[in-house]
Parts: sequence; C-alpha cells; structure tokens
Amino acid sequence: DGGITQSPKYLFRKEGQNVTLSCEQNLNHDAMYWYRQDPGQGLRLIYYSQIVNDFQKGDIAEGYSVSREKKESFPLTVTSAQKNPTAFYLCASKGLLMNTEAFFGQGTRLTVV
Amino acid sequence: ILNVEQSPQSLHVQEGDSTNFTCSFPSSNFYALHWYRWETAKSPEALFVMTLNGDEKKKGRISATLNTKEGYSYLYIKGSQPEDSATYLCAFPKSSGDKLTFGTGTRLAVRP
Repeated sequence: DGGITQSPKYLFRKEGQNVTLSCEQNLNHDAMYWYRQDPGQGLRLIYYSQIVNDFQKGDIAEGYSVSREKKESFPLTVTSAQKNPTAFYLCASKGLLMNTEAFFGQGTRLTVV
Repeated sequence: ILNVEQSPQSLHVQEGDSTNFTCSFPSSNFYALHWYRWETAKSPEALFVMTLNGDEKKKGRISATLNTKEGYSYLYIKGSQPEDSATYLCAFPKSSGDKLTFGTGTRLAVRP
C-alpha cells in the first residue's frame, strides 16, 4: 500500500540530546514537509523540500535540521538548540502540481524529560 | 491578510444542524486552497483542493466554495453527524506553491 510512515510514534529525549524523527513515503512525491503542533495551536511549518538534496526553512526552523538524500526520505533532527522541543510532529508529502493534496504520516509525539 | 486565518476557533452543534466555517487567505498570488479534516488519533485527510475563483466542491454532506478575489473560502456541513466531529484545517501554498501553510483550524464537536 502506498503511504507515508513516521517513526517512532512516541519519543522521549533527555535535555541536551539531539534526536532524529523518521519520515518515509512511497507515493513518489517530490515535496515533503515537517510540521509541529503545540496544544491549542495549528500546524506550523518547520522545513520543506521540493527535490532531493534541496530544502527550505519554514516558519519555525530554528533548532531543527533536515536532509533529503533520497526522494523517499526526509528525516528531521531536533537539536539541543531547540528550546522547547516537546510537541507533536507531523510529516507530509505532496506532488508538485498545484491541485494535488498532501498526505500525512501518523505523527511523532516528542517529550523532553 | 498576511497568513491563513480560520474562524471560528471552535464550534459546538447539535446532530442534524448545518454549519459553516471560514478560511481567509491573502488574495494576491493565489495558487490553491486546501481543506483537510483531522479526526482525533488519526492523520489529517484532504477534503478538497480548490484552484479556480468561484469553484464549488462537494463530498457527501460537505461542500466548499472559493472566492480568490476577496480571499476567502467557506466550508459547509449539512445535517452534522457525530462522526463529523474533527478539526477542519485550511492550507494555502505560498510563493511557488510548495510552501504549504496551515490555518489554526476550526474544531467542530457534534452532540448526539
């Protein structure tokens, strides 16, 4: 089945540690996205990528890093520089045509302990 | 309007009521307007992607309209059912169309 997979579903991190969230899609989509959701807020864009080996900062990129070495994969690293990393993270992918919809993973809930 | 704005923030209706909510977006450099439904414990799923001014789309009891000149879209639900309870998000691609930016959503609760 085609889809987009995030792992893990739950992640606990100690303060000061970097942690990497996985996002894989087999939909052959060119564009991939990382969003963050905090309680009572909408989805805020962290990073996005339109093509392999290229990515752009979203609205809240500070403290995060990404890579796009393969079309299928867009991992997100939450670095120790991110001051408030506890949140729900969603990955999405989309074709490049304007009238195509985005598909989402199940999300990763990150908690800093 | 510089970003995507949705109203109301939350809505409580009785089963059988019809309801609607609004998504406002910058009217310049319009590319497309997306609507998604996000049910608890699930991933957001697309309802509509609208690209033309005056577009009207329908899926069962849910429909949407688009006015790109004034920068708004309405989502209508006719005869709400408890299974319609979800957060409804609209999204607006910025710049080249790939920076997909979401509104804060409208949380709908339908009482049986």
